[in-house]
Amino acid sequence: NAGVTQTPKFQVLKTGQSMTLQCAQDMNHEYMSWYRQDPGMGLRLIHYSVGAGITDQGEVPNGYNVSRSTTEDFPLRLLSAAPSQTSVYFCASSYGWEQYFGPGTRLTVT
Amino acid sequence: DQQVKQNSPSLSVQEGRISILNCDYTNSMFDYFLWYKKYPAEGPTFLISISSIKDKNEDGRFTVFLNKSAKHLSLHIVPSQPGDSAVYFCAAHSGGSNYKLTFGKGTLLTVNP
Repeated sequence: NAGVTQTPKFQVLKTGQSMTLQCAQDMNHEYMSWYRQDPGMGLRLIHYSVGAGITDQGEVPNGYNVSRSTTEDFPLRLLSAAPSQTSVYFCASSYGWEQYFGPGTRLTVT
Repeated sequence: DQQVKQNSPSLSVQEGRISILNCDYTNSMFDYFLWYKKYPAEGPTFLISISSIKDKNEDGRFTVFLNKSAKHLSLHIVPSQPGDSAVYFCAAHSGGSNYKLTFGKGTLLTVNP
């Protein structure tokens, strides 16, 4: 079991560029979510999904899109990167209360 | 408005002593609480949880206490070890089947040898 995997580990973007952060899990979990972690801000929920084909917004969804075509994958798309999106991004999955987190993607937008 | 508050950004304790991390919440609909531990450059990992119908849950060196009337929970680590040095996040769930969690800002625990 690889658990929750995220790629890439690091990424530098220029303002206005787009990119997709990949997240995959091999635990057959229905629930998946994306968080961002900023200094002094804790973990804030961006988007989540309760199953394939179903997504919803979290606390800070602006500037991000998600889709869930399979149980395993839950990519996060930045449509037009902004410096305010510089952060560490974590993907998580769960079948219950305990969420399993990936190792994170550190994104810098210049 | 912050619904889950960890008012101590950092805590330093001596090895072997007790570490007490605190968490307050404002939403009375929260029905399940969790603690996560995070090392630098890694994702958070689940530590211990407690349902709102209980007031205590214990797992080895870790005990979580819940005081619903005060909307307060605490994590006790006894005895503290240097490997416990990490950021600890308190998280809460507000009901429903979507497993959405609201996290606090975290407390950095440093256990000194």
